[in-house]
Amino acid sequence: VIWMTQSPSLLSASTGDRVTISCRMSQGISSYLAWYQQKPGKAPELLIYAASTLQSGVPSRFSGSGSGTDFTLTISCLQSEDFATYYCQQYYSFPRTFGQGTKVEIK
Amino acid sequence: EVQLVESGGGLVKPGGSLRLSCAASGFTFSSYSMNWVRQAPGKGLEWVSSISSSSSYIYYADSVKGRFTISRDNAKNSLYLQMNSLRAEDTAVYYCARGGAARNHAFDIWGQGTMVTVSS
Repeated sequence: VIWMTQSPSLLSASTGDRVTISCRMSQGISSYLAWYQQKPGKAPELLIYAASTLQSGVPSRFSGSGSGTDFTLTISCLQSEDFATYYCQQYYSFPRTFGQGTKVEIK
Repeated sequence: EVQLVESGGGLVKPGGSLRLSCAASGFTFSSYSMNWVRQAPGKGLEWVSSISSSSSYIYYADSVKGRFTISRDNAKNSLYLQMNSLRAEDTAVYYCARGGAARNHAFDIWGQGTMVTVSS
């Protein structure tokens, strides 16, 4: 099993801030990492796959980086619609695993 | 429009059974692997099971292995999750999610979810 440590679990920020979320793997997964955004009462939505490839329709203020065991999601200029919970997920091996989630709240 | 619609959730007693369905539309269902992911109230996402496009490869989380069965009917563009011996800890929103043609693929399309409550 590949264990994932996502941090922080809670992030307080203001509109316009640059925020980063980290995801660390217990073993290397090459670039088989995705980031999802979930808003309350809604299904998750894919933001980034292959660690750094933006899903179609996702704003360019979202970016992803990393490979191997350490990955980062960056939102360059936080907008009001970005306040949500973010999850990383590895799809390198089974069982697929998700990070614990990072809630981005209004400061 | 590419869409996944789950159904079949509800209230069931511990030890009971339930069958979830996921109807796909707007894409060639038979070309994609499919997945079930659940989310307990107030908790994070938990992968449950995956099935390859032709049903040749099937995987389960340890927490459901031996109790849940994933299947698909490509002629009906449908994915299923048969859940037996249900426990309180299976209470969650269950999402179906599309994978890809390749073995390793992110989940790019999600349904709206169906709620399963296991309680006496």
